[in-house]
Amino acid sequence: EAQVTQNPRYLITVTGKKLTVTCSQNMNHEYMSWYRQDPGLGLRQIYYSMNVEVTDKGDVPEGYKVSRKEKRNFPLILESPSPNQTSLYFCASSRGPSGSTEAFFGQGTRLTVV
Amino acid sequence: AQSVAQPEDQVNVAEGNPLTVKCTYSVSGNPYLFWYVQYPNRGLQFLLKYITGDNLVKGSYGFEAEFNKSQTSFHLKKPSALVSDSALYFCAVRDYQADTGRRALTFGSGTRLQVQP
Repeated sequence: EAQVTQNPRYLITVTGKKLTVTCSQNMNHEYMSWYRQDPGLGLRQIYYSMNVEVTDKGDVPEGYKVSRKEKRNFPLILESPSPNQTSLYFCASSRGPSGSTEAFFGQGTRLTVV
Repeated sequence: AQSVAQPEDQVNVAEGNPLTVKCTYSVSGNPYLFWYVQYPNRGLQFLLKYITGDNLVKGSYGFEAEFNKSQTSFHLKKPSALVSDSALYFCAVRDYQADTGRRALTFGSGTRLQVQP
């Protein structure tokens, strides 16, 4: 089954404690993205990757890092989380560039930073 | 930058009635438009897209959308709503930045569809 898998689904952490949200896809897609979803704002892109070792900033990259060492994995790293990063996070992958082909989304990670 | 607007936070409709979820867009050039649906505790799922061709686009679960260039709209429709259609619906547009080559999906704020039995 084609899918994008994120872990964990739920996470409560304290300010400043580094965390990583993992994302893995089994469709051999080149393009992957991270979004955050906040009420009334829709989804906003944090970072994206066009291929292995190729990543770039999206609309709201501050406070986040990513890496793409393998095609299937695209982890999101929060080096020093702050309460304003409390949000619902989605990883997505697609065969082509974002907005050109259908994107497949993970189930989401609900992060709370206290 | 490209943008989409979903003017209604919530749409309520009775089961069996037709439904419309509105979306308007603002783009330079030809728009690539999408609709996604989010069910509770799930990720977004692709419903349909318009890139070129017929203005009426058919998608998953009996949904369709009508592209109207003069009104810059891309409304989502279904002839007969089901209770199971209750979900959060997002309109999105491709945002292409020529200076960086970046392509991204820009989403609307979402419309919650509530179908009453």
